[in-house]
Amino acid sequence: AQTVTQSQPEMSVQEAETVTLSCTYDTSESDYYLFWYKQPPSRQMILVIRQEAYKQQNATENRFSVNFQKAAKSFSLKISDSQLGDAAMYFCAYRTRQGGSEKLVFGKGTKLTVNP
Amino acid sequence: DAGVIQSPRHEVTEMGQEVTLRCKPISGHDYLFWYRQTMMRGLELLIYFNNNVPIDDSGMPEDRFSAKMPNASFSTLKIQPSEPRDSAVYFCASSLGVRSPLHFGNGTRLTVT
Repeated sequence: AQTVTQSQPEMSVQEAETVTLSCTYDTSESDYYLFWYKQPPSRQMILVIRQEAYKQQNATENRFSVNFQKAAKSFSLKISDSQLGDAAMYFCAYRTRQGGSEKLVFGKGTKLTVNP
Repeated sequence: DAGVIQSPRHEVTEMGQEVTLRCKPISGHDYLFWYRQTMMRGLELLIYFNNNVPIDDSGMPEDRFSAKMPNASFSTLKIQPSEPRDSAVYFCASSLGVRSPLHFGNGTRLTVT
């Protein structure tokens, strides 16, 4: 079974600084998708960024970028120029393409605090 | 696009009562998921449907939980009888195919006293 591990339960960053959240996953498949979701105190689940395993280029979305290392099964999220509104729980997630198992598997999350 | 719509937003009930949570997925999406979130266990998949057919219900805790998707625009998650340990936030999510991300509703916070 696929598993997703976020080894940092909590992280903090100064406003305007850069922070990197770690994520590793375990799978025997070669084709899959990886996501980062943000959950602010409002509890809404918001998609931050996605990466397709067959693409070597790292995904970027404005201040958010990933470092995807397929061989190492690592998928870290970098937030540049951190803003107070970035404070939230961040979840790394994995989704396979294989029929019968297309569910999204989540890590336990990292709570990010942004200090002014 | 109205997004995934869940109701109610909050539900408080007494132990032993029946609880029904409702979800309307995004129109055209062919996958629907029910997740439960607690502090102790994080986000757990309960069940998911593809084209209204349940594919994987291995996450449903026990026979007290049941889920249905009678048509492409509606799904329910029922707990009967409810217990205090069922207290959690329940999310519904939908997606178009396997390649697209899941779009989540705002969740239902269930409190069983």
